[in-house]
Amino acid sequence: KQEVTQIPAALSVPEGENLVLNCSFTDSAIYNLQWFRQDPGKGLTSLLLIQSSQREQTSGRLNASLDKSSGRSTLYIAASQPGDSATYLCAVMTTDSWGKLQFGAGTQVVVTP
Amino acid sequence: DTGVSQNPRHKITKRGQNVTFRCDPISEHNRLYWYRQTLGQGPEFLTYFQNEAQLEKSRLLSDRFSAERPKGSFSTLEIQRTEQGDSAMYLCASSLRQGDNEQFFGPGTRLTVL
Repeated sequence: KQEVTQIPAALSVPEGENLVLNCSFTDSAIYNLQWFRQDPGKGLTSLLLIQSSQREQTSGRLNASLDKSSGRSTLYIAASQPGDSATYLCAVMTTDSWGKLQFGAGTQVVVTP
Repeated sequence: DTGVSQNPRHKITKRGQNVTFRCDPISEHNRLYWYRQTLGQGPEFLTYFQNEAQLEKSRLLSDRFSAERPKGSFSTLEIQRTEQGDSAMYLCASSLRQGDNEQFFGPGTRLTVL
């Protein structure tokens, strides 16, 4: 059974610092991995999707890496801003459960001015 | 706005009542998903459709829950005889069958059962 873990559960950084968010999963037979942002009381916004054959994906200040063999993904956010404050969730889709995303509990980020 | 929409955004009901939520996916997306999220947790998968066919149901989806997508467009999720443990955010997502299957989420329906 796939288990997805995000550590730490919460993180506070001063504005301008780079953010490093971690996601680990137990079953390396994944189809893809998606990173989402969630603001309080809102739905999820897709940030990046990495296919199992890819090592990383970039969008603006965001970069996500994937290491299937070690069961890890890392989301980097460069030069953080107060507007980056949110909960960040990673989710994996395994090859034997195609279509179903399995989520971590998220990392709550606060960027202080 | 061409994103996923959900209605209502908030629902307060008394224990034992029935509730129904609606999800309208992105128009060209043929896959539609329902998830449930409780406070401090990531979303948990409930069920998904490809066009009008319901392809998978989670064990979380008890007999009191039913989902439909009658014409392969919008979907409804009904909860009968609600319980306080049903209080959660119900999220809908959609994706294309082809390609990378990136899922796009709606704003959710917050259910509170008193």
